[in-house]
Amino acid sequence: QVHLVESGGGMVKPGGSLRLSCAASGFIFSDYHMNWVRQVPGKPLEWVAYISPSGTTFHYTDSVEGRFTISRDDAKNSLYLQMNNLRADDTALYYCARAGMTTLIHWFDLWGPGSLVTVSS
Amino acid sequence: DIQMTQSPSSVSASVGDRVTITCQASQDIRSWLAWYQQKPGKAPKLLIFAASSMESGVPRRFSGSGSGTYFTLTISSLQPEDFATYYCQQTNSFPLTFGGGTKVESK
Repeated sequence: QVHLVESGGGMVKPGGSLRLSCAASGFIFSDYHMNWVRQVPGKPLEWVAYISPSGTTFHYTDSVEGRFTISRDDAKNSLYLQMNNLRADDTALYYCARAGMTTLIHWFDLWGPGSLVTVSS
Repeated sequence: DIQMTQSPSSVSASVGDRVTITCQASQDIRSWLAWYQQKPGKAPKLLIFAASSMESGVPRRFSGSGSGTYFTLTISSLQPEDFATYYCQQTNSFPLTFGGGTKVESK
């Protein structure tokens, strides 16, 4: 069974930091492009960040550039999102999402259940 | 950034109805479009990729078409389990962007 499971969410004050983790199982994690996608409850999906299988190419949505860092540890089959200087508008459910094994495939065929991040004073 | 505009934002339909959702891209994305279904409290589920290719296990009543800037998702005969919110996503270039969603509700 292939799975992604996020952890590390919680409540944090504005300006604070959190690190999300995503544990992958059932597939060769190191082969895949990986992403974080977030969703404010009741609102549309928003792509947040991307990392290549080699861990050397990254992309971020403008609103998190310079504050969030995506990384991966293939030995641990894990994806991470370090979130610094958090703002109220970062409050959302954060999903880990698997894309393809090539640079042409940026649709998401596997999603975790999500981890809720709440930024509030 | 490529903007994705979905319409309608909601549709009321009955079991057995044919439902069509449209998605318009602000620039040419060739066939780099995906469709997802999301039910309340659940993660999205991939239905269609590359505009018209069906993900494994997706019922054949779902189909996608289009290229360039105009795309459609069609449910040929709506089933009870199809009441959900549907999103399009352009996969042509970063930043990846989603449409605003279409909620399919029971009439």
